[in-house]
Amino acid sequence: GENVEQHPSTLSVQEGDSAVIKCTYSDSASNYFPWYKQELGKRPQLIIDIRSNVGEKKDQRIAVTLNKTAKHFSLHITETQPEDSAVYFCAASIPGAGSYQLTFGKGTKLSVIP
Amino acid sequence: DAGVIQSPRHEVTEMGQEVTLRCKPISGHDYLFWYRQTMMRGLELLIYFNNNVPIDDSGMPEDRFSAKMPNASFSTLKIQPSEPRDSAVYFCASSLKTGAWPQHFGDGTRLSIL
Repeated sequence: GENVEQHPSTLSVQEGDSAVIKCTYSDSASNYFPWYKQELGKRPQLIIDIRSNVGEKKDQRIAVTLNKTAKHFSLHITETQPEDSAVYFCAASIPGAGSYQLTFGKGTKLSVIP
Repeated sequence: DAGVIQSPRHEVTEMGQEVTLRCKPISGHDYLFWYRQTMMRGLELLIYFNNNVPIDDSGMPEDRFSAKMPNASFSTLKIQPSEPRDSAVYFCASSLKTGAWPQHFGDGTRLSIL
């Protein structure tokens, strides 16, 4: 099955700096890569996603890049703010007839220091 | 439109008792997923349904766990008998389509087995 590795497990940045979280996946057939943000005690919320036919996607201060050859994708947050502090999860999905699963990374705890 | 609705939000019960968690997916979504989240194991997929039919239950820990989806707007996850190691946050998620499509999570049920 698919295996998703996420790094780092914790990340501290100064407010205003950029944060980068990286994930690698094992199955080259994976074609969908969402990122979720989970604040303490709350549900994971989708913040951005990318499909395998796209190399990069941006939404305001958040961007995701995908390198299919190397089988890794990254989340970039620019101009970080205290409200960006949360746990971020990457995931990968393998298509298949009658089968649809997201395999999640272990998460990155991001702390933005005011 | 209402999101995925889970109940109860919190459940505390004694070892050996039956526990039933409930989920109402987003209207029109064909896929429903049950996840378990712990610090040690992260987000684990337990089982998922397509059009009320269980597709993959390979993540269900053991026979004490069972899940049903009697109709398109309701699903249950049952644990009988419950054990302390079942303590976790259980999330339900739903998705519109198969393949490269986002999953939307409910607020989760925090389960504590004493």
